[in-house]
Amino acid sequence: DTGVSQNPRHKITKRGQNVTFRCDPISEHNRLYWYRQTLGQGPEFLTYFQNEAQLEKSRLLSDRFSAERPKGSFSTLEIQRTEQGDSAMYLCASSTTSDRGRNEQFFGPGTRLTVL
Amino acid sequence: AQSVTQPDIHITVSEGASLELRCNYSYGATPYLFWYVQSPGQGLQLLLKYFSGDTLVQGIKGFEAEFKRSQSSFNLRKPSVHWSDAAEYFCAVGAPPGANNLFFGTGTRLTVIP
Repeated sequence: DTGVSQNPRHKITKRGQNVTFRCDPISEHNRLYWYRQTLGQGPEFLTYFQNEAQLEKSRLLSDRFSAERPKGSFSTLEIQRTEQGDSAMYLCASSTTSDRGRNEQFFGPGTRLTVL
Repeated sequence: AQSVTQPDIHITVSEGASLELRCNYSYGATPYLFWYVQSPGQGLQLLLKYFSGDTLVQGIKGFEAEFKRSQSSFNLRKPSVHWSDAAEYFCAVGAPPGANNLFFGTGTRLTVIP
């Protein structure tokens, strides 16, 4: 089992550019989550998928952000027209539904985005 | 709405000493509770979790946590700290059922001195 993987691990971009991150969950996990972590803070929830359906989105997920999970496996998070305030660590997690819904989220190593 | 408070930003302990990291939550009912650890440049690793039942929960790496409903707390403890425990520790709360949207505290950074 390789765990949750994220690519790239680091991304440096200029303000106004678009960026896309990829997350590959643990293979048997049907739920996938995106979080954002800024320096000195805990992770903040952005969105989650069950299979290919996006079931919840945070108010933090502005119109410039879009997430997809087209086949219910890997997911992508795209940020359009990046701003310096988007600089953060973007974390992906996955879980599997169990009885009574007590799911545990397993996190990937994250993608660190720096917007210049 | 849920919220989590970790009142200690930074704690320093000597190797071999005991450790307690504080976590207080705000939620209208009994939430699901988690402790995660994050080493520099790494993702979050789950140490332990509480869903229901026994209020003293055992986790990995010798950690335990106790859920106290009356104090809205879920403090993390370890009887003897090892140098490898130096990391950032995050308490998180999730709303049953499912706990899909975890709320995290701001973290406590643990430094271990020889």
